[in-house]
Amino acid sequence: DTGVSQNPRHKITKRGQNVTFRCDPISEHNRLYWYRQTLGQGPEFLTYFQNEAQLEKSRLLSDRFSAERPKGSFSTLEIQRTEQGDSAMYLCASSLGTEREAFFGQGTRLTVV
Amino acid sequence: AQRVTQPEKLLSVFKGAPVELKCNYSYSGSPELFWYVQYSRQRLQLLLRHISRESIKGFTADLNKGETSFHLKKPFAQEEDSAMYYCALHTGGFKTIFGAGTRLFVKA
Repeated sequence: DTGVSQNPRHKITKRGQNVTFRCDPISEHNRLYWYRQTLGQGPEFLTYFQNEAQLEKSRLLSDRFSAERPKGSFSTLEIQRTEQGDSAMYLCASSLGTEREAFFGQGTRLTVV
Repeated sequence: AQRVTQPEKLLSVFKGAPVELKCNYSYSGSPELFWYVQYSRQRLQLLLRHISRESIKGFTADLNKGETSFHLKKPFAQEEDSAMYYCALHTGGFKTIFGAGTRLFVKA
């Protein structure tokens, strides 16, 4: 599969624990996005990278959330001190240059118990 | 405020019937609008974009700036069209705003 890859696919964690998700975009894509999707809602923008630079962050991204894309390839999203409200599907997407079409991964479903 | 509204959470039609999935947007700039689709157990994928003015899988969507709408239409629904459909607005930055989605169910 040469599409966007996300790991793990599912994560169950206890409240207060830290979790980290990984996204591997399509190899030549320089733009990478993280979204969060809760039940009955569409994806909500969290943050955007162009190469290794994080250019935009949503106000949804509290200080417990941090994202990196150290070499402009894969990206990680870390949530510290998880809360039950963090339970959601976390989606990663990538795109190339000025193309607006984003290619999505299958997501990581986080459940905080 | 930048917003995308899909008023119907569920739309159920019979096979062969016309389909219209509604989408309204709020944006002060020049909008770029898209429809994304998610079939069962598959990832979210682009269906069509307004600038292309194309028909994909029999679906079309016309941007109406006067009514701030971008409704998705298909004259004859097929069972394989059953899926979740999201209208999306790309703003001048790098953020895409999605609607809450409409689940289309095409009955045999």
